[in-house]
Amino acid sequence: DGGITQSPKYLFRKEGQNVTLSCEQNLNHDAMYWYRQDPGQGLRLIYYSQIVNDFQKGDIAEGYSVSREKKESFPLTVTSAQKNPTAFYLCASSPTVDSNQPQHFGDGTRLSIL
Amino acid sequence: GDSVTQMEGPVTLSEEAFLTINCTYTATGYPSLFWYVQYPGEGLQLLLKATKADDKGSNKGFEATYRKETTSFHLEKGSVQVSDSAVYFCALSDQGAQKLVFGQGTRLTINP
Repeated sequence: DGGITQSPKYLFRKEGQNVTLSCEQNLNHDAMYWYRQDPGQGLRLIYYSQIVNDFQKGDIAEGYSVSREKKESFPLTVTSAQKNPTAFYLCASSPTVDSNQPQHFGDGTRLSIL
Repeated sequence: GDSVTQMEGPVTLSEEAFLTINCTYTATGYPSLFWYVQYPGEGLQLLLKATKADDKGSNKGFEATYRKETTSFHLEKGSVQVSDSAVYFCALSDQGAQKLVFGQGTRLTINP
C-alpha cells in the first residue's frame, strides 16, 4: 500500500544534541511538508518542498533544517538551536502544491527532551 | 493573513446524537476547504473537502458545505458513533499558497 512512513515513532533528545526525523513516501508525490503540533493547537508549517533539491521555509523554520535529495525522502533535523523542541512532528505529501489537492499525512514522531 | 477558527472543545456527546462542529475562515482569495480527523497517536486523515462555493463534501456520514457568504464550513453528522471519537481539524488552502492553514482542532468524545 502506498503511504508515508515516519520514523522513529518516539525520539528523545539530550540538551545540545541534533536529531533527525525520517519521512519516506511511496506515493510518487512531488511536494512534501513538515508540521509541528503542540497540545491543543493546530499544526504549524516548518518547511516544505515542491520538488527535489528545493525547499522553502514555513512559518516556524528557526532551529530546524531539511534536505530533499530524493523524491521519496524529506528528513527533518531538529538542531540544538531549537530551544523548545518537545512536540509531535508530522510529515505530509501531496501530488503538487496545488491548493485543491489534499495532503496525506504520516503517523508522526513524538520528540521529547531528556 | 489567512486564518481558521474552530469551535472550542472538548465536545462530548452520546451515541446517535447529532453533531455540529463550527468552522469559519478568513482568506484573501478563493480557498479550498478541508476537514481532517486525527485518532489518538496517529497522523491526520482527510475526511472531506470542498473546492468552491456551495460545494458539499461528504464522507463516512459526515458532511460540510462551503458557504462563501458566511465564510463557514461547518462539519455535521446525523448520528455519531463511539468510533467517531477523535480530534477534528478544519483547514484551508488559498489559491497560490503552498500550505494548509489549520484551526486549533476540536476534540470529540462519544459516550456509549
